[in-house]
Amino acid sequence: AQSVTQLGSHVSVSEGALVLLRCNYSSSVPPYLFWYVQYPNQGLQLLLKYTTGATLVKGINGFEAEFKKSETSFHLTKPSAHMSDAAEYFCAVRHTRGSARQLTFGSGTQLTVLP
Amino acid sequence: NAGVMQNPRHLVRRRGQEARLRCSPMKGHSHVYWYRQLPEEGLKFMVYLQKENIIDESGMPKERFSAEFPKEGPSILRIQQVVRGDSAAYFCASTTETRGYGYTFGSGTRLTVV
Repeated sequence: AQSVTQLGSHVSVSEGALVLLRCNYSSSVPPYLFWYVQYPNQGLQLLLKYTTGATLVKGINGFEAEFKKSETSFHLTKPSAHMSDAAEYFCAVRHTRGSARQLTFGSGTQLTVLP
Repeated sequence: NAGVMQNPRHLVRRRGQEARLRCSPMKGHSHVYWYRQLPEEGLKFMVYLQKENIIDESGMPKERFSAEFPKEGPSILRIQQVVRGDSAAYFCASTTETRGYGYTFGSGTRLTVV
């Protein structure tokens, strides 16, 4: 079984400040890890993913995340927040083995960017 | 190359009616996943289909819900005798057989049961 915990359902930062959204996962096998962004009344857009290789993953819009196996974490960061970053962010995990290819999502973190 | 197309975007049904949600995957994608998002929650897996086959329906409620992905045409998620608790956003994602970790999501269908 696998699960995802996102600490903080709401995070507020000032424009230009560091963005840190936390994600911890539980998986019995090495996982694939994802961050998605959802704007109001829209679908999910992939920000970045970790499959294999380098543990620091860079994504779109200046976001990056680091896979830390020892901490079972995959936190999302961005050095400087922009007003357009205000959205809901979802962390997700998927098995790397077997036929179970579906994603398991966290409950989401709503990011507010203050002017 | 159009993305994953879902329709309708919004659907209103009275209690007891049927809801049909359609998902056309990206061109070349033969795997479809349906997820449900309840208000203030993340997405929950419902069902995984390939053309003409249901691969995993472990997340689907046992009654009133069914899904298909025919050889021709879109994937359909069907909810019979809808209840207020079915009100949610339903998202479809597609992927190719080889891109086991690359999912493209549609914009969703927002179902409201009145």
